[in-house]
Amino acid sequence: DAGVTQSPTHLIKTRGQHVTLRCSPISGHKSVSWYQQVLGQGPQFIFQYYEKEERGRGNFPDRFSARQFPNYSSELNVNALLLGDSALYLCASSLVVGVGQPQHFGDGTRLSIL
Amino acid sequence: DQQVKQNSPSLSVQEGRISILNCDYTNSMFDYFLWYKKYPAEGPTFLISISSIKDKNEDGRFTVFLNKSAKHLSLHIVPSQPGDSAVYFCAASASNFGNEKLTFGTGTRLTIIP
Repeated sequence: DAGVTQSPTHLIKTRGQHVTLRCSPISGHKSVSWYQQVLGQGPQFIFQYYEKEERGRGNFPDRFSARQFPNYSSELNVNALLLGDSALYLCASSLVVGVGQPQHFGDGTRLSIL
Repeated sequence: DQQVKQNSPSLSVQEGRISILNCDYTNSMFDYFLWYKKYPAEGPTFLISISSIKDKNEDGRFTVFLNKSAKHLSLHIVPSQPGDSAVYFCAASASNFGNEKLTFGTGTRLTIIP
């Protein structure tokens, strides 16, 4: 079975631009979460969606938004890119919601802002 | 405010010996803890988890110990193998957050010496 797939794998943008990152969860998984990992740090929670509804939001500015589609895939959008948005963006899926449900991560999208 | 801390950025262990990775947390609302392993250019992979109602969970070569009074957990790998060389992240979640947000530590890079 295919794992969590993310696209693109690498992306280079300039300050002020907009970016859309995409995630396809494991087949049958209905929950998708997004994390940002900057160099030398652990992943930081951005959003969780379940059944197309936002279930949680981390401490990120309104420039960050996301949505989940009827097929449970998800997009993360970032507007007005800043140099500090350079990071690895990880998507994770889980079958159902509930503390203790392991989240399965994709390999991430490496975003570089020039 | 780093709520989950991994104070050892790196650890080297001889093949066949025990590897012990440590993690401390400050938020007493955390009631579920997970360990993830990450290879370069890949997403984190779920290893093992423990609920706060337990003090030990074992899965093959991996055992996680939880000391709630000390707000401390550890991951034991016995025996250590070269394929265990990776970055290990401790993560925590809380059932009353209303979502499955994972709070990660900064990671420990484990190197197994053949």
